Amino acid sequence: EIVLTQSPATLSLSPGERATLSCRASQSVSRYVAWYQQKPGQAPRLVIYDTFNRATGIPARFSGSGSGTDFTLTISSLEPEDFAVYYCQQRSRWPITFGQGTRLEIK
Amino acid sequence: EVQLVESGGGLVQPGGSLRLSCSASGFTLSGYAMHWVRQAPGKGLEYVSVISNEGDSTYYADSVKGRFTISRDNSKNTLYLQMTSLRPEDTAVYYCLTSRTTVVPSMDFFDYWGQGTLVTVSS
Repeated sequence: EIVLTQSPATLSLSPGERATLSCRASQSVSRYVAWYQQKPGQAPRLVIYDTFNRATGIPARFSGSGSGTDFTLTISSLEPEDFAVYYCQQRSRWPITFGQGTRLEIK
Repeated sequence: EVQLVESGGGLVQPGGSLRLSCSASGFTLSGYAMHWVRQAPGKGLEYVSVISNEGDSTYYADSVKGRFTISRDNSKNTLYLQMTSLRPEDTAVYYCLTSRTTVVPSMDFFDYWGQGTLVTVSS
């Protein structure tokens, strides 16, 4: 199965700063990477699908990029509500797999 | 509006069984394959299983193969996950999720999530 490795495990930033989260695949997943945001006690929420498409209701400060094995989720200017755990997911090859998550915390 | 409501979780002893249900509304269940994904407490997301729209084809993660059975009753708009020979490592919140296709294994991203149902396997 395809292993997704997210880095860093924890990212400590202040509101207004730029966040860059990485997801690396053990083999090419083309452009089929999604990103999810999860806050404590809540289900995950789709943020980005197929590398760069924002999900419904997701603000423009969220953007995705990458291809092949390396993908990035960027939050251009952090808002207080953006602090959460973020997971990447690939849908290129069975089985669907997820990264282990990056915790974005307030510095 | 798409809604997914999972139920049936609870505390079960190792080796025991449990059946989860997922009630779907806001769309025609028979038109889509359906998935189960789980999340152990404080851990990441793990893919579990998928079933075709008619229920005639299923796929499982290796970690649950032979122990879990996914099924559906389209007339009741309900998805099921029968779990047997449960292990402590099966402790997790279980989410049902919709596909965008009818065939499996369907490779999806997931934009509709329920609240999940917690399964705890412990003596």
